[in-house]
Amino acid sequence: EAGVAQSPRYKIIEKRQSVAFWCNPISGHATLYWYQQILGQGPKLLIQFQNNGVVDDSQLPKDRFSAERLKGVDSTLKIQPAKLEDSAVYLCASSLGPGRAEAFFGQGTRLTVV
Amino acid sequence: AQSVTQPDIHITVSEGASLELRCNYSYGATPYLFWYVQSPGQGLQLLLKYFSGDTLVQGIKGFEAEFKRSQSSFNLRKPSVHWSDAAEYFCAVTGANNLFFGTGTRLTVIP
Repeated sequence: EAGVAQSPRYKIIEKRQSVAFWCNPISGHATLYWYQQILGQGPKLLIQFQNNGVVDDSQLPKDRFSAERLKGVDSTLKIQPAKLEDSAVYLCASSLGPGRAEAFFGQGTRLTVV
Repeated sequence: AQSVTQPDIHITVSEGASLELRCNYSYGATPYLFWYVQSPGQGLQLLLKYFSGDTLVQGIKGFEAEFKRSQSSFNLRKPSVHWSDAAEYFCAVTGANNLFFGTGTRLTVIP
C-alpha cells in the first residue's frame, strides 16, 4: 500500500515569495491533516479536512496561508507571502476518519525562508 | 481544550538500559492516546495507541505504554534500549476530531 506522498521534499525561498506544497493521501482516507513542525517543537495542526470540507482551520494564519483539497483527494497548502518564521517542516497526514483512526504521515517538506 | 505535556525535552540512556518517557494529557472526555516516533528527516511513525480496555498496550519495536486515568498519564516504556531507538518521540491525544501533539522528547542512546 502506497503511503502519504508529499512534494517537494525541500524548498528554499526568499521572504515575501510564495510557495506551494502538495500532498497525496493514502487511497480511501477521508481525513487529511496539514501540520507545521518548527525545529525543536511538536507538530502543530494547521488545517484538517474531512473529504473536501474543512473540519478545523483555527490555527491556520489565514492572512497568508491557504489550503484546499480538490475532490476530497489531493491537497495543496500555499503560503503567500512567506515570512522568516514560516521556516519549518510541513507534514501531511491522512487517516480513514477523525478520532480513533491511525494517522499516517508523509515525509514532510522542509521549507527554509531566507 | 486538549493538551499534551512531555516534561522531558532530552533523555540520554545507555544501550541495554530501560527507558521511560513521560506524557501527561488534558482532555475532558475519554481520550484516545498515541505515541509516535520520528527519525531525522522522516515523517512520524505510530508506535502504539490506546482507545479503551486494557490499560497496558503493546506496540511495535518492543515498546509499551500504560494509561493511568487517575494521573492523566500515558508513559512509554521499553525494557532494553537499542542504538536504533535514538529518535524524537511524540505523545498525542485526540477526541472526536483533532490530533494534538506534545513538544517531543529527544532520545539519545550511548554505547
